[in-house]
Amino acid sequence: GAGVSQSPRYKVAKRGQDVALRCDPISGHVSLFWYQQALGQGPEFLTYFQNEAQLDKSGLPSDRFFAERPEGSVSTLKIQRTQQEDSAVYLCASSATPETGRETQYFGPGTRLLVL
Amino acid sequence: AQSVTQLDSHVSVSEGTPVLLRCNYSSSYSPSLFWYVQHPNKGLQLLLKYTSAATLVKGINGFEAEFKKSETSFHLTKPSAHMSDAAEYFCVVSNTGTASKLTFGTGTRLQVTL
Repeated sequence: GAGVSQSPRYKVAKRGQDVALRCDPISGHVSLFWYQQALGQGPEFLTYFQNEAQLDKSGLPSDRFFAERPEGSVSTLKIQRTQQEDSAVYLCASSATPETGRETQYFGPGTRLLVL
Repeated sequence: AQSVTQLDSHVSVSEGTPVLLRCNYSSSYSPSLFWYVQHPNKGLQLLLKYTSAATLVKGINGFEAEFKKSETSFHLTKPSAHMSDAAEYFCVVSNTGTASKLTFGTGTRLQVTL
């Protein structure tokens, strides 16, 4: 079946622009995660949804970052007034059940954001 | 708090020789440990995971890892490297429990030469 998909795959933004990144998780997956992967680094946790509820947003770096999952399926990560330090690959992952630390997360290919 | 240290940022092996990618973890609770692989322009893929069952874990593509609590290690091994194994490998830790998040290491780039 289809895996996790993300769009766009690449995004170039001018500093100060707003961007929206989309994630389509595996159908029926309860949990959805966003990660930020800077060049040469491992992914870092941003936020976690269980269905439509955002249970953990402790990794969002500033109030310019906002995520939603209004119907418990597709999710959007929005970055307002982008800055150069926001340049990174944004990864989305989903898992079948509520997160307990043991579930396998299935990752999308990522959106590479470059802020000029 | 939890953390992962991948001891080598880059490992180079010849095709057909053994692979060893080293990982040490720190966790306040009973951890779950994972190895993920990232091929260029592809999503992260789970290789294997440890979740408090057998300490020797077998994964896909001939990889395995052993959880050693006394050494706080979870090293990844493969008896014989293949060219297709060239990729970035991430060791990952999470604390078991509700709403637990994954913490990734900085990655080890595996190069396989002829």
